Amino acid sequence: AQRVTQPEKLLSVFKGAPVELKCNYSYSGSPELFWYVQYSRQRLQLLLRHISRESIKGFTADLNKGETSFHLKKPFAQEEDSAMYYCALSGYGGSQGNLIFGKGTKLSVKP
Amino acid sequence: DVKVTQSSRYLVKRTGEKVFLECVQDMDHENMFWYRQDPGLGLRLIYFSYDVKMKEKGDIPEGYSVSREKKERFSLILESASTNQTSMYLCASSLPRYGYTFGSGTRLTVV
Repeated sequence: AQRVTQPEKLLSVFKGAPVELKCNYSYSGSPELFWYVQYSRQRLQLLLRHISRESIKGFTADLNKGETSFHLKKPFAQEEDSAMYYCALSGYGGSQGNLIFGKGTKLSVKP
Repeated sequence: DVKVTQSSRYLVKRTGEKVFLECVQDMDHENMFWYRQDPGLGLRLIYFSYDVKMKEKGDIPEGYSVSREKKERFSLILESASTNQTSMYLCASSLPRYGYTFGSGTRLTVV
């Protein structure tokens, strides 16, 4: 079964500290993985896709197929990073191409 | 620069009322989706559509229906609203296997 697991509901760090939001997935194949972010009072928006291998707002995420993980990392957290983060998975073709979301992790960056 | 528009930001309806949530996208996307977002439960797919007049059930379709008469518009219908349908409703559109673009959401309260 396809599944995305974000083990932490809430992650609290101090400004300047490293942050890692965990994401593990279950999928029989090679999925595409995404991170979405929702800042307070804003719409849910795409942060990054694993296939792009990009860094957005200082965040990176590496797909580890062996561990079936796609953890989101940032070396130095900023207060403006405080938001809700969702990891999502997409398969291939038809309804398999739909995004499956994890339950989300709320990141709180304290001054 | 708004690409997915949800007609209402806040709605308050009475139990038993028929409720229409409207979503319009201007990106000529084939795929459109309705999710509900609840704390601790993440995003759950209600219905989706790959084409005009086409619809498929998501993970939690009970109590909901949808309509897609035109490519740009995807409506979610609560036939008889109940208090357990109080939630944030998110509409999204996408190209196949691309990231989703979300609307700003409709917070529905059923009293």
